[in-house]
Amino acid sequence: DAKTTQPPSMDCAEGRAANLPCNHSTISGNEYVYWYRQIHSQGPQYIIHGLKNNETNEMASLIITEDRKSSTLILPHATLRDTAVYYCIVRPYGGATNKLIFGTGTLLAVQP
Amino acid sequence: DAGITQSPRYKITETGRQVTLMCHQTWSHSYMFWYRQDLGHGLRLIYYSAAADITDKGEVPDGYVVSRSKTENFPLTLESATRSQTSVYFCASSEGYNEQYFGPGTRLTVT
Repeated sequence: DAKTTQPPSMDCAEGRAANLPCNHSTISGNEYVYWYRQIHSQGPQYIIHGLKNNETNEMASLIITEDRKSSTLILPHATLRDTAVYYCIVRPYGGATNKLIFGTGTLLAVQP
Repeated sequence: DAGITQSPRYKITETGRQVTLMCHQTWSHSYMFWYRQDLGHGLRLIYYSAAADITDKGEVPDGYVVSRSKTENFPLTLESATRSQTSVYFCASSEGYNEQYFGPGTRLTVT
């Protein structure tokens, strides 16, 4: 079962920041937080991941709380093309298996 | 072209037929994965492979067979297709435990 909880849907105005929350209260010390998104009818796309420090790349920023029980994915200037289902996944880096367990994600609708 | 490709993109087959879905990646990634995506279930892992000739079951392996004789290819075979295997199938690859890259998907309909 997925170890994360996300709101089923969110709206965001085009050009504004989109802040997508994720709760992972049972996260273990060796587990990373990964974010993927899936635009309609396409394969999932990797966005970003982090362990405990905030991370930023060309697509997004990831803010992880100090206790690591929740995180927020930030798309700084959302566009219509960012409309997608966003998945928050926790997973250890290394170990016996290399699996991603997808939950139901958050459907982000960017409005013009 | 570089990347991960799947073929066919669309397939309609009849119950009981054998079907093979192909996946090819050009990065020489060690890991490859097969997922299926159904309404109400999200993405579920069928099989994965850590290297050539090494495969392991995921969450929903029943009714599927995989092989990996070459690093770049990871075919998925439905030995006797059933209507419950109607789904969208995604292949993915990763270098070790790094991020996974997904293919465009194969939409399979079993009639």
